[in-house]
Amino acid sequence: GESVGLHLPTLSVQEGDNSIINCAYSNSASDYFIWYKQESGKGPQFIIDIRSNMDKRQGQRVTVLLNKTVKHLSLQIAATQPGDSAVYFCAENRGNSGAGSYQLTFGKGTKLSVIP
Amino acid sequence: DSGVTQTPKHLITATGQRVTLRCSPRSGDLSVYWYQQSLDQGLQFLIQYYNGEERAKGNILERFSAQQFPDLHSELNLSSLELGDSALYFCASSVVGSGRKETQYFGPGTRLLVL
Repeated sequence: GESVGLHLPTLSVQEGDNSIINCAYSNSASDYFIWYKQESGKGPQFIIDIRSNMDKRQGQRVTVLLNKTVKHLSLQIAATQPGDSAVYFCAENRGNSGAGSYQLTFGKGTKLSVIP
Repeated sequence: DSGVTQTPKHLITATGQRVTLRCSPRSGDLSVYWYQQSLDQGLQFLIQYYNGEERAKGNILERFSAQQFPDLHSELNLSSLELGDSALYFCASSVVGSGRKETQYFGPGTRLLVL
């Protein structure tokens, strides 16, 4: 069936380097995507979102890229810090706007470890 | 702090029992979502309520039910609990309007352990 999946389950980066976390999706009709960060024992925390009418969106130290041709999302974190260590999830909103339903489908997550 | 609150934070109970998890959405959010996070299934959508009405259903077991009250808080009821129901249960909320998809903000979760 259709799903949202992550290419890499773990990623280790040196403090100060840039991190890139990838995500593939299979539903070509998906039009809204969100990246979440989850620290141990906490709920998913919103990082950044992007709609399908955009290719790129930037936030503070984070950039999300959307390639609809190959159905691929990436999250780039600049100057990675120890506080960025967490599990990162991409989520796809497959809901039916007309019906007012907006459930998220999550990928399996990538664990980012920052080496001091 | 997302503004979404959940109680209790931890819950330990026995098989066959029934529990109720509570969620208060962010101020102004009309939609509430429930998700289950387990080690083998990841984060999975259970159910969505909008202004008191059920709007979407995911892989929610028949033993589970939810409701949203006039003050917009929501409760997730889990009955006839089994060992496999042990998981983190998250509530999220969002603003819903004009048919536009909006970000969902998650609460801190309730960790359920069924013994």
